[in-house]
Amino acid sequence: DSGVTQTPKHLITATGQRVTLRCSPRSGDLSVYWYQQSLDQGLQFLIQYYNGEERAKGNILERFSAQQFPDLHSELNLSSLELGDSALYFCASSVSSRDIGNTIYFGEGSWLTVV
Amino acid sequence: GENVEQHPSTLSVQEGDSAVIKCTYSDSASNYFPWYKQELGKGPQLIIDIRSNVGEKKDQRIAVTLNKTAKHFSLHITETQPEDSAVYFCAARPANAGGTSYGKLTFGQGTILTVHP
Repeated sequence: DSGVTQTPKHLITATGQRVTLRCSPRSGDLSVYWYQQSLDQGLQFLIQYYNGEERAKGNILERFSAQQFPDLHSELNLSSLELGDSALYFCASSVSSRDIGNTIYFGEGSWLTVV
Repeated sequence: GENVEQHPSTLSVQEGDSAVIKCTYSDSASNYFPWYKQELGKGPQLIIDIRSNVGEKKDQRIAVTLNKTAKHFSLHITETQPEDSAVYFCAARPANAGGTSYGKLTFGQGTILTVHP
């Protein structure tokens, strides 16, 4: 158990709908990352937050958004869902010290199926 | 941006044999290279990592080597066991991650390792 908690574990929804994925980072970790894993794209970085502020953005679609709340949990919002958005979405967290060996711990993922 | 290539995509070995997975990266300024193991239905789990000021690191049956000049790094698993069967991912941290966080890992495409009893 990495200590990173994600809900829901599985989600099936229809095209055009909106879903919210939730993540609680490890205790003490200030930084949260979201990754998307699909068979054809592998593990793709979406976005990173540090202590409530957006720090880095990857290949995140405009239909997707995220935020990190004062209690450090994070939510990834996916809207106007398309079949191609079906994937495993991972949240990860790290302490975010200046040590370059800043270990990133992954949650178990939220499996999204769009039908 | 950073690009990480990983080979092979699948690797099948007999129990007790060694397994080697290789990765190359494009950004010469990358300085942190972790390896993750992902089992079915689970998230990636860090198994070993190496920093750019170190050429090799070992942890029991697992070792990682780094060649900064050639921009490649490798995972070596000795005395493989069936429980080593999983998908293995290499990753590199681009130097421009910046800020107060050193995340934003760029991952290779993964290697499916199967260890036959």
